[in-house]
Amino acid sequence: EIVLTQSPATLSLSPKERATLSCRASQTVGSSLGWYQQKPGQPPRLLIYDVSNRATGIPARFSGNGSETDFSLTISSLEPEDFAVYYCQQRSNWPRTFGQGTKVEIK
Amino acid sequence: EVQILESGGGLAQPGESLRLSCAASGLTFSAYAWSWVRQAPGKGLEWVSTNGKSDGNTYYADSVRGRFTISRDNSKNTVYLQMNSLRADDTGVYYCVKGGTSSFFGYWGQGALVTVSS
Repeated sequence: EIVLTQSPATLSLSPKERATLSCRASQTVGSSLGWYQQKPGQPPRLLIYDVSNRATGIPARFSGNGSETDFSLTISSLEPEDFAVYYCQQRSNWPRTFGQGTKVEIK
Repeated sequence: EVQILESGGGLAQPGESLRLSCAASGLTFSAYAWSWVRQAPGKGLEWVSTNGKSDGNTYYADSVRGRFTISRDNSKNTVYLQMNSLRADDTGVYYCVKGGTSSFFGYWGQGALVTVSS
């Protein structure tokens, strides 16, 4: 099983600041890495697929980067609606696995 | 507009069974793989099972293999999750999700709450 480790667990930032979230895989996942955003009481929403491709309707302030085992999600300038929990997920191997999540909270 | 609606959640005692249903509309149901992802209260996301679109292959997390069965009825645009021998740690919100084999989880339902408790 591929283990995805996200860091930090919590990121405390102010609106308009830049957020950088990390996801490290226990073995290579190639480019089969995606990111999801989840707000309280809502299902997750796909943000990024295949490392760096924004899903439909996702603003350009969200970007993904990385390869093999090290990946990042950057939010260039935090908007109030961006404060949420973010998960990475790999679809390289079975079982599909998620990271434990990074909470982006208002400082 | 894509709509995904889960049903069948509820309260079960340990050892009992429940069946979740997921009806999808606004897309060609048979063209996609369908999955279930769950979330225990206050916890992260856990992939549970996937049903492939055309080959019929099914995939399961180790935690549910042998107890849960995923199936689909393309004529009803519905995917099912039969959950047997339920345990307390099966408690959580179960999301029906489009994708899981060659794509990421692109569309999510609102979720069905399953509570396993005596």
